[in-house]
Amino acid sequence: DARVTQTPRHKVTEMGQEVTMRCQPILGHNTVFWYRQTMMQGLELLAYFRNRAPLDDSGMPKDRFSAEMPDATLATLKIQPSEPRDSAVYFCASGLVQGRGITDTQYFGPGTRLTVL
Amino acid sequence: DQQVKQNSPSLSVQEGRISILNCDYTNSMFDYFLWYKKYPAEGPTFLISISSIKDKNEDGRFTVFLNKSAKHLSLHIVPSQPGDSAVYFCAAGLTGGFKTIFGAGTRLFVKA
Repeated sequence: DARVTQTPRHKVTEMGQEVTMRCQPILGHNTVFWYRQTMMQGLELLAYFRNRAPLDDSGMPKDRFSAEMPDATLATLKIQPSEPRDSAVYFCASGLVQGRGITDTQYFGPGTRLTVL
Repeated sequence: DQQVKQNSPSLSVQEGRISILNCDYTNSMFDYFLWYKKYPAEGPTFLISISSIKDKNEDGRFTVFLNKSAKHLSLHIVPSQPGDSAVYFCAAGLTGGFKTIFGAGTRLFVKA
């Protein structure tokens, strides 16, 4: 049963610390998305990649967030320095897009719950 | 500016009755709409979708209705079951694009 995995599942850190969240997309999928879920905003798209190339990261605060795909089996989202307002659940999703964009289903990981004190 | 709005944060329904979850969007360019379901401590899972060339799509107990003139879609669950209790996210985007805009979600409680 193929699924997206995310580590860590929970992270508590202090303000100013660096946080790295990792995602392993489903093997064979060519798109990866990072979302942030907050009570007020719901699911916000932070960044997405196709074939490991970043297509759009306009949803991310550029000064502190960065997203990369060092290889096809790993996507990372880094926050440096972290702030209390970054506390949220961060989801990674992957999909197989064959030229039709969002008409293809996204498969979400279980999320990383981040708490910044 | 929220382009996809789910104005009801929660909904409570009796088992066996119909659940109706609503969603409004502001961008008239959106031509593809999706519903995702999310249980606690899990990621959202795809439920049902509809293209703007249709006004209805049905999958078992789940039906999505699209009213383009009103920029409104709804998800009907009939009959509702306790296992349907979850958060439901409405999402929208452009065919051929990759960006999906999600609403804030509606928490559905189905009482036995």
